[in-house]
Amino acid sequence: NAGVTQTPKFRVLKTGQSMTLLCAQDMNHEYMYWYRQDPGMGLRLIHYSVGEGTTAKGEVPDGYNVSRLKKQNFLLGLESAAPSQTSVYFCASSYSIGSGELFFGEGSRLTVL
Amino acid sequence: SQKIEQNSEALNIQEGKTATLTCNYTNYSPAYLQWYRQDPGRGPVFLLLIRENEKEKRKERLKVTFDTTLKQSLFHITASQPADSATYLCAPGGAGNMLTFGGGTRLMVKP
Repeated sequence: NAGVTQTPKFRVLKTGQSMTLLCAQDMNHEYMYWYRQDPGMGLRLIHYSVGEGTTAKGEVPDGYNVSRLKKQNFLLGLESAAPSQTSVYFCASSYSIGSGELFFGEGSRLTVL
Repeated sequence: SQKIEQNSEALNIQEGKTATLTCNYTNYSPAYLQWYRQDPGRGPVFLLLIRENEKEKRKERLKVTFDTTLKQSLFHITASQPADSATYLCAPGGAGNMLTFGGGTRLMVKP
């Protein structure tokens, strides 16, 4: 099992460009999440999904959109990238919400110039 | 608002000693708390979960305590090894709520 796979691993964007981060999990988990991690800030939840076709806002959703068209995939989109979105993005999945442990991907490092 | 505090300064200890990391939370009554390990350039990896009705949880050389009165969790690594060097994240969670992560404490175990 590959677990949680994120693509791409690195990306450099110019301000105003758009891009999509792809997250795929092969554990048949219902729940998927997108976090961003910045120095000294910890992991902050951007959006999450409790099942195919559903999404919800997390702590820092502004400037991002998500889609969960298939159970195994969770896409994070930036429509118009800003330097403040320079960060490391982590996707995670879990079997249950609440006390279920999270399985994380390896991260996607995004730099917006 | 909810606040989680972990010591942002690195903890340096000698191999073989016990490492103790602290997680304090405020404005919060989590039903459980999770601890994760994160290596540089990698995603966090789950280590332990402790529930509010459990005072202590152990797994091999790891021990976690959860004091809901003090609003604090302690994470211990006994007989520490250089391979234990990493950043450790605590994440309190409420029933049905999302996990909220602390900023992590970096542990350095010197041989």
